[in-house]
Amino acid sequence: GQNIDQPTEMTATEGAIVQINCTYQTSGFNGLFWYQQHAGEAPTFLSYNVLDGLEEKGRFSSFLSRSKGYSYLLLKELQMKDSASYLCAVRDRLRSNSGYALNFGKGTSLLVTP
Amino acid sequence: EAQVTQNPRYLITVTGKKLTVTCSQNMNHEYMSWYRQDPGLGLRQIYYSMNVEVTDKGDVPEGYKVSRKEKRNFPLILESPSPNQTSLYFCASSTTEAYTEAFFGQGTRLTVV
Repeated sequence: GQNIDQPTEMTATEGAIVQINCTYQTSGFNGLFWYQQHAGEAPTFLSYNVLDGLEEKGRFSSFLSRSKGYSYLLLKELQMKDSASYLCAVRDRLRSNSGYALNFGKGTSLLVTP
Repeated sequence: EAQVTQNPRYLITVTGKKLTVTCSQNMNHEYMSWYRQDPGLGLRQIYYSMNVEVTDKGDVPEGYKVSRKEKRNFPLILESPSPNQTSLYFCASSTTEAYTEAFFGQGTRLTVV
């Protein structure tokens, strides 16, 4: 495994903007992914970053800085249905067998309030 | 519809009774993996498979076995389940191309008493 850190919980108001940060350490970076997971359900893919910079996808954007080992997920125009856990995942290339591992942070539980 | 299917969704079993959780994908993905998710610990990888007959340990493989005899199936086997294996399990699949996302099954909630 590797260290992937993100805040445990965040709260934001409906209609607002929230930024969820993620820091990581990796030896064979092969992509950074963000997933959304509602309680008891499977994670669903939101976005991924390969190169440094901002990737925008509707109300969701994700930023990556590989030199700093840092990413954030930006959610705009928050809706109540955005209350969920957001998982930062790093794909790490393995030297041992040319495979890779997709390692997850512990997730950030986001509560959107009226 | 492209999907990853796990069965069963819920299972309560007793310590020591062998069980198998099945996972099947219809996207012709080479890469498949199993995770367990526990409160405060997040998703942890148990085993993964790069292709048919190629499997390897993840971060928490103790007490689990897998097999990959066909590309579409990747069952998780608990030979002698123990209460510390009570968890929510997810199967995932993806291509082996760089920067491609993983697709997850619906999850299996296992309770070992």
